[in-house]
Amino acid sequence: AQTVTQSQPEMSVQEAETVTLSCTYDTSESNYYLFWYKQPPSRQMILVIRQEAYKQQNATENRFSVNFQKAAKSFSLKISDSQLGDTAMYFCAFMKQSMNRDDKIIFGKGTRLHILP
Amino acid sequence: EPEVTQTPSHQVTQMGQEVILRCVPISNHLYFYWYRQILGQKVEFLVSFYNNEISEKSEIFDDRFSVERPDGSNFTLKIRSTKLEDSAMYFCASSENRAKNIQYFGAGTRLSVL
Repeated sequence: AQTVTQSQPEMSVQEAETVTLSCTYDTSESNYYLFWYKQPPSRQMILVIRQEAYKQQNATENRFSVNFQKAAKSFSLKISDSQLGDTAMYFCAFMKQSMNRDDKIIFGKGTRLHILP
Repeated sequence: EPEVTQTPSHQVTQMGQEVILRCVPISNHLYFYWYRQILGQKVEFLVSFYNNEISEKSEIFDDRFSVERPDGSNFTLKIRSTKLEDSAMYFCASSENRAKNIQYFGAGTRLSVL
């Protein structure tokens, strides 16, 4: 069974600083996807960034980038030049790459990130 | 931008009653999901649905739970004989196709069973 672990329940950083959220996972699968989802207070979860395990290059989306270490099963999220709107719960998540219907997402417990003015 | 919409935002019910949680997925999406999050715990998969049938369900999704897409737009989760431990946030998600592997989530319905 797959598991996703986020070891930082809560973090706070000053606006404009860079922050890194940690995530590790465990799987015996070779092909899979990893995600970071953001959930602002009382809002829906939105996809921040997606990484395909077969790709060595780390995914980037504007100020968001990941450090994907497949051998170490580590998938951290870096937020550069943090903004007040980045305040949210961040979930690391895993999905098998499957030819059958197994496309459920496995989530970590989340890291609550506060950006301070 | 299209969104997944869930209603109500908060549902309170008495133990033993039936509840229906409603979701309107994004209109061209074909794959539908329910997840739940008990307070302080992980978001957990409940069920996936495609082509008018359940694709996969977790052990949480016992015979008190059912899903339906009654009219081609709504996607509902029904829980019969609710228990205290059903209290949680329930999230609906939809996906355009499996190749894109991106699930879009609603804001959730908080279910409180008293």
